[in-house]
Amino acid sequence: SQTIHQWPATLVQPVGSPLSLECTVEGTSNPNLYWYRQAAGRGLQLLFYSVGIGQISSEVPQNLSASRPQDRQFILSSKKLLLSDSGFYLCAWKYKAGTGGNEQYFGPGTRLTVT
Amino acid sequence: AQSVAQPEDQVNVAEGNPLTVKCTYSVSGNPYLFWYVQYPNRGLQFLLKYITGDNLVKGSYGFEAEFNKSQTSFHLKKPSALVSDSALYFCAVRGQYNTDKLIFGTGTRLQVFP
Repeated sequence: SQTIHQWPATLVQPVGSPLSLECTVEGTSNPNLYWYRQAAGRGLQLLFYSVGIGQISSEVPQNLSASRPQDRQFILSSKKLLLSDSGFYLCAWKYKAGTGGNEQYFGPGTRLTVT
Repeated sequence: AQSVAQPEDQVNVAEGNPLTVKCTYSVSGNPYLFWYVQYPNRGLQFLLKYITGDNLVKGSYGFEAEFNKSQTSFHLKKPSALVSDSALYFCAVRGQYNTDKLIFGTGTRLQVFP
């Protein structure tokens, strides 16, 4: 079966510090990968998605970036955090079109607080 | 433009009563529709989906959803609510122009009272 991991689970970082959040998927290969941010326990904002190694699509201009160095690894980064970067960050994966269902499967999330 | 609307911020229901969480969509062609549930400080869990076929879709934890093309709705239902069903529920539709993406509603908080 497939499993998605995110770490760390919680993170408190000062303004201006760097950020690295990691997401890995087990039990499948060549998935689509997604990063979302959820503010105030409500709506989801798609930040980045990737259809393959090194392929990143950015949805919202911001001081965050994403990378996919390996097939099942997706990393969210920032060089300098802003207060507005606080939130709940969710990673998700999905089968490629035509190879499985259309639904996305989410990780447990990382709670980021920027102080 | 493609969109999903969840008109209720919160739904309150007594335990044992039926519950409905509403969702309407706007997309051209045949929609691919999804429901997710989120418990506090957790990721979203997939509940059910409609792709084609029977308009009544059954999913996890006793939930079902009814697809109504004429009303462009996909309401989530459960015949008898449990206190443990209290959570945040999201409706989503597959992107019309980019089928790799899901468009989510703003979420509805379900509160089930004992």
